[in-house]
Amino acid sequence: QQQVKQSPQSLIVQKGGISIINCAYENTAFDYFPWYQQFPGKGPALLIAIRPDVSEKKEGRFTISFNKSAKQFSLHIMDSQPGDSATYFCAATYNNNDMRFGAGTRLTVKP
Amino acid sequence: KAGVTQTPRYLIKTRGQQVTLSCSPISGHRSVSWYQQTPGQGLQFLFEYFSETQRNKGNFPGRFSGRQFSNSRSEMNVSTLELGDSALYLCASSLGQGTTGELFFGEGSRLTVL
Repeated sequence: QQQVKQSPQSLIVQKGGISIINCAYENTAFDYFPWYQQFPGKGPALLIAIRPDVSEKKEGRFTISFNKSAKQFSLHIMDSQPGDSATYFCAATYNNNDMRFGAGTRLTVKP
Repeated sequence: KAGVTQTPRYLIKTRGQQVTLSCSPISGHRSVSWYQQTPGQGLQFLFEYFSETQRNKGNFPGRFSGRQFSNSRSEMNVSTLELGDSALYLCASSLGQGTTGELFFGEGSRLTVL
């Protein structure tokens, strides 16, 4: 089922640093690329999403960079904070019927 | 607006038993999707229902089944439980009107099979 490859598996960043998580997809029919954030004991929650007609989307400290030709997209977290420590999932879909998730990245931001 | 509600939150079953999990979507949402989350396999799509019809199904055996009621509430059932079925089962709802958009997840039902 895995059509979205995510790296790294885990990431440790100092407070104030930049966290970067990368994803690559295979299916060129995908037209919606969300990132979800999951805290322990909670379900995933949408963080930010992008469609392939734009190359970058920024919301506060979170930015998605999208490279359609390379079939890659990444999440950048600027000025990372300890409260950002969570597991992040990239995903891709061409309808909401079957969203494919990456394996997840466990981010730890050290104070 | 209430979020997605899943019940029960935790349950323990033994091999061979069956289990039914329930999901109440956000009011007005007509699409309900189910995902299995495990440390080894991550988030895997089980199936999606819209207006009481299964629109898509993931690559899981027939022991996994679901249904949706006229009020959009959904249930999933796993029969003849195996140890490998131990997982967090997540339900997500969306408007489901055809265009892609945000999935709203519940907190999940954690199933342990002994």
